[in-house]
Amino acid sequence: QKEVEQNSGPLSVPEGAIASLNCTYSDRGSQSFFWYRQYSGKSPELIMSIYSNGDKEDGRFTAQLNKASQYVSLLIRDSQPSDSATYLCAVESGGSYIPTFGRGTSLIVHP
Amino acid sequence: GAVVSQHPSWVICKSGTSVKIECRSLDFQATTMFWYRQFPKQSLMLMATSNEGSKATYEQGVEKDKFLINHASLTLSTLTVTSAHPEDSSFYICSARSRTASILHFGNGTRLTVT
Repeated sequence: QKEVEQNSGPLSVPEGAIASLNCTYSDRGSQSFFWYRQYSGKSPELIMSIYSNGDKEDGRFTAQLNKASQYVSLLIRDSQPSDSATYLCAVESGGSYIPTFGRGTSLIVHP
Repeated sequence: GAVVSQHPSWVICKSGTSVKIECRSLDFQATTMFWYRQFPKQSLMLMATSNEGSKATYEQGVEKDKFLINHASLTLSTLTVTSAHPEDSSFYICSARSRTASILHFGNGTRLTVT
C-alpha cells in the first residue's frame, strides 16, 4: 500500500513569514512529486513538480526533494493571506502514472 | 496552458435518479483520465482510471455498476452516477493527462447533492 503522509494542520503563519509544508512517502520507487493548492470548494491546481533530489524554485515557492529520506517539502516565502488553502502532496511511482495524494495540509496566513 | 472542462459545476437531483458528469480536454488529447470524489475536509479519493478506448479500472470499494465511466474519445470522459442516493452527495473531480506529459490537469469539479 503506497502511502503519502501530511500533517493535516492547520499551519498558521503570519503574513510575510515562510510557510514550510512537509510530506513523506512510503514507496522508494517513487519518481515524480507534485504540490497542488486547493481552495475551499475548488479543484486542485498545480503549484510545483519535482523529479530529482534538491531544490526547485519558482517565484515564492521552493520544492525540496530528498529521496533517501523519502520526503518532499514546499516552502512558501513572503506568505500572503491569499496563500491560505489546503496543500496536497502527490507522488507517482515509476511506470504507474497514477498519483497518490496525501490528505493535505491546511495553511492559514493571518494578516 | 492545458484546459480541462467539467460540467455541470453543480447539480441537485432526487434520490433514485441518474446524473451524468462530463469531462473534456479542450486543447490536448487526454489518453488517461482520473475520477476523484472528495467529501468535506477529506482528501481526494481516486475512484477510477480510464484510458481512451478501454474499460475503466476501478479502485477497491468503488461500485462499477453504480459509477459508470466512459472514455470513448481522446477528449471526453463521462461519469454517470446511477440510482443516486444522499450518501453519493459529494464533490466529484476529473483530471486528465496526455501520453507525453506527467502533469495532471484538473477540471473545476462537480458538486452533487442528492435529495
